[in-house]
Amino acid sequence: KQEVTQIPAALSVPEGENLVLNCSFTDSAIYNLQWFRQDPGKGLTSLLLIQSSQREQTSGRLNASLDKSSGRSTLYIAASQPGDSATYLCAPGGNTPLVFGKGTRLSVIA
Amino acid sequence: DTGVSQDPRHKITKRGQNVTFRCDPISEHNRLYWYRQTLGQGPEFLTYFQNEAQLEKSRLLSDRFSAERPKGSFSTLEIQRTEQGDSAMYLCASSLMAYEQYFGPGTRLTVT
Repeated sequence: KQEVTQIPAALSVPEGENLVLNCSFTDSAIYNLQWFRQDPGKGLTSLLLIQSSQREQTSGRLNASLDKSSGRSTLYIAASQPGDSATYLCAPGGNTPLVFGKGTRLSVIA
Repeated sequence: DTGVSQDPRHKITKRGQNVTFRCDPISEHNRLYWYRQTLGQGPEFLTYFQNEAQLEKSRLLSDRFSAERPKGSFSTLEIQRTEQGDSAMYLCASSLMAYEQYFGPGTRLTVT
């Protein structure tokens, strides 16, 4: 059974800092991995999708890496802004339903 | 395309009542998923469809829960004899085969 852990559970940083969110998963037989953002009381917004054959994926200030063999993914956010404040969730999956961690709650202080 | 839509956005019901939620996926997506999320937790998988076929159900989906996807288009999730433990956000997502999943805004259920 796939289990997903996200560290840290919460993070507070001043505006402008670069930061890294970590995700680990126990079953490396995945098809892809998605990173999502969730604002309070809202649905999930897909940020990045990394296929199992890829090592990295970039979108604007976001960069996600995937090391499938070690069961790890990281989300790097450059030059953080207050609007980045949200909960970030990673979810390995693909040909099976996504399995989610509890997320990292990020606060970016102006 | 406006994305995945869900209706209603909020539902308050009394314990023991039945409720039904609807999800409209992105039109060209053949897979549709239902997840449930409680406060402070990540979403948990409930069930998914490929076209009109229900391919997998989680053991979380008790016999009080039933989902349908007639004609492979929209889907409904019904909860019978609701319990307070059913209070949660119910999320729907869709995808084209095993590719990127796109989520709707969710339906927040409160059972009093």
